[in-house]
Amino acid sequence: DAGVTQSPTHLIKTRGQQVTLRCSPKSGHDTVSWYQQALGQGPQFIFQYYEEEERQRGNFPDRFSGHQFPNYSSELNVNALLLGDSALYLCASSLEGFLGSGANVLTFGAGSRLTVL
Amino acid sequence: AQSVTQLGSHVSVSEGALVLLRCNYSSSVPPYLFWYVQYPNQGLQLLLKYTSAATLVKGINDFEAEFKKSETSFHLTKPSAHMSDAAEYFCAVRPKTSYDKVIFGPGTSLSVIP
Repeated sequence: DAGVTQSPTHLIKTRGQQVTLRCSPKSGHDTVSWYQQALGQGPQFIFQYYEEEERQRGNFPDRFSGHQFPNYSSELNVNALLLGDSALYLCASSLEGFLGSGANVLTFGAGSRLTVL
Repeated sequence: AQSVTQLGSHVSVSEGALVLLRCNYSSSVPPYLFWYVQYPNQGLQLLLKYTSAATLVKGINDFEAEFKKSETSFHLTKPSAHMSDAAEYFCAVRPKTSYDKVIFGPGTSLSVIP
């Protein structure tokens, strides 16, 4: 059973460019969350998607946007890249349902490492 | 708002020694609590979780953690460190009542000295 897969694994962009990162959730999961992990820090919550809608959002600017498709896969888009956007971007999936449950465990992918020059 | 603190950004232990990684949370209502481990160039893997059943939670690879409400703590321990335990460890919290986000602590890097 495949877990969470992310692509690409590494990429390099320049300031001002745009990037799209992709995530396929674990089979049976319906919710995708995205996290940004800067070097030496803990993951910071960007947003969560359920039923193709953004259900929760962290303290990230509108340059960060996302999408969830009917097959539950998801994309994270970042526009007008800044040097500070360099980080490991982690996708996590879970089975939440409409109400969700705090006991649900996140399953993480290996991440996409973005370097902005 | 909920938050997580992890005392000690870096911990070193000798192989075979006790591992103790500290985690304290701030929440008006005791949340669900988790410990995740991250090996280099990998995503996070769940070690264990507390969901208000037993206060002493056992996880994978002989790790365990004890929930102490009075101390708002959820420290992670392992009786005997192995070289393969060297990794980054993250404590995380999540409210019990909704699909709210998981909040991670800053992490503790564990080194195991042979």
